[in-house]
Amino acid sequence: DGGITQSPKYLFRKEGQNVTLSCEQNLNHDAMYWYRQDPGQGLRLIYYSQIVNDFQKGDIAEGYSVSREKKESFPLTVTSAQKNPTAFYLCASSPGEGQPQHFGDGTRLSIL
Amino acid sequence: AQSVTQLGSHVSVSEGALVLLRCNYSSSVPPYLFWYVQYPNQGLQLLLKYTTGATLVKGINGFEAEFKKSETSFHLTKPSAHMSDAAEYFCAVTQRTGFQKLVFGTGTRLLVSP
Repeated sequence: DGGITQSPKYLFRKEGQNVTLSCEQNLNHDAMYWYRQDPGQGLRLIYYSQIVNDFQKGDIAEGYSVSREKKESFPLTVTSAQKNPTAFYLCASSPGEGQPQHFGDGTRLSIL
Repeated sequence: AQSVTQLGSHVSVSEGALVLLRCNYSSSVPPYLFWYVQYPNQGLQLLLKYTTGATLVKGINGFEAEFKKSETSFHLTKPSAHMSDAAEYFCAVTQRTGFQKLVFGTGTRLLVSP
């Protein structure tokens, strides 16, 4: 079945450590997105990519980095510069204009 | 800039009662509109969407929503709630042209009691 796979489901970060969240899709979608979800705040866009080897900052990009070397993959790195990384992270993809985004099952990141 | 307002962070209904979740948007031109559902520790699942055409949109699990341009609203309804409908619901909008950034509301948690 086609879909979006996020791993790991749970992740713990130590102080000063960078961690990378994986997102893989087999839907052949061009666009991919990373969101952060905090209680009571809905979803906020971190980064997005409309095509391979190109990506743009979203609303809350500080302390995060991404790459898009393959169409299927859009990993997110949470760097030590992100002072409040505890959240639920969601990856999504979409095929194009007017089409809804499809979401993975998320990664919950916590601080040790 | 687009924005979405969902009235009520929590809505409680009894099983079998009408479900009404409110969504109002702000946009200079009619946008594309979506409702998503999220169960605990899972991603978002699309319930329904409005892009063009008929303003009453039917979705999965018996939900429907009506686009009312004059009221800038896209309220979600279901005639009879089931226990399995308990979840968080998000309304979202995106512009029709250019990069389609989804703007989400803050969500409404639906509680269903027996």
